[in-house]
Amino acid sequence: GAGVSQTPSNKVTEKGKYVELRCDPISGHTALYWYRQSLGQGPEFLIYFQGTGAADDSGLPNDRFFAVRPEGSVSTLKIQRTERGDSAVYLCASSLTKRSADTQYFGPGTRLTVL
Amino acid sequence: AQSVTQPDIHITVSEGASLELRCNYSYGATPYLFWYVQSPGQGLQLLLKYFSGDTLVQGIKGFEAEFKRSQSSFNLRKPSVHWSDAAEYFCAVEGNNDMRFGAGTRLTVKP
Repeated sequence: GAGVSQTPSNKVTEKGKYVELRCDPISGHTALYWYRQSLGQGPEFLIYFQGTGAADDSGLPNDRFFAVRPEGSVSTLKIQRTERGDSAVYLCASSLTKRSADTQYFGPGTRLTVL
Repeated sequence: AQSVTQPDIHITVSEGASLELRCNYSYGATPYLFWYVQSPGQGLQLLLKYFSGDTLVQGIKGFEAEFKRSQSSFNLRKPSVHWSDAAEYFCAVEGNNDMRFGAGTRLTVKP
């Protein structure tokens, strides 16, 4: 079946602009995660959804970052007033439930470049 | 707080040689540990995971890892490396609601 998909694969924007990054999880997966991966680093947690609600948004770096999952499937990560430091690969992952035994499946990521 | 450290940024091995990638964790209780591989342009793929029980865990693509509580380690091994194993490898520990990743080890395979 289809894996986790993310669009766009690449996004170039100018400092100060608004961007939206989309994640389509595996069908039926209730848990959805966003991570950010900077060059030379491992992924860092941003936010976790269980169903439609953000169960843990402790990883969001500041209030310019926001994410939604209105129908419990597709999620959108929104970044306002982008800064050069926001440049990174944004990864989405989903799992059947939040249980540890359920594998997190990752999408290919969206590479965001802020000029 | 849970965390992992990967001491080696970059490792080069010859094709057919054995491989060991190091991972050290920090966690008070029994951790849930994972190894992922990331190839260029690809998403992270789970190689194996450890929750409890047998400390030697078998994964996909011929990889295995051994959990050693006394050394706080979860090293990844493969007896004979193939050129297609060249990639970035990440060790991770489960946090409260997330995965906490190490900085990764880049593996280069020489012909």
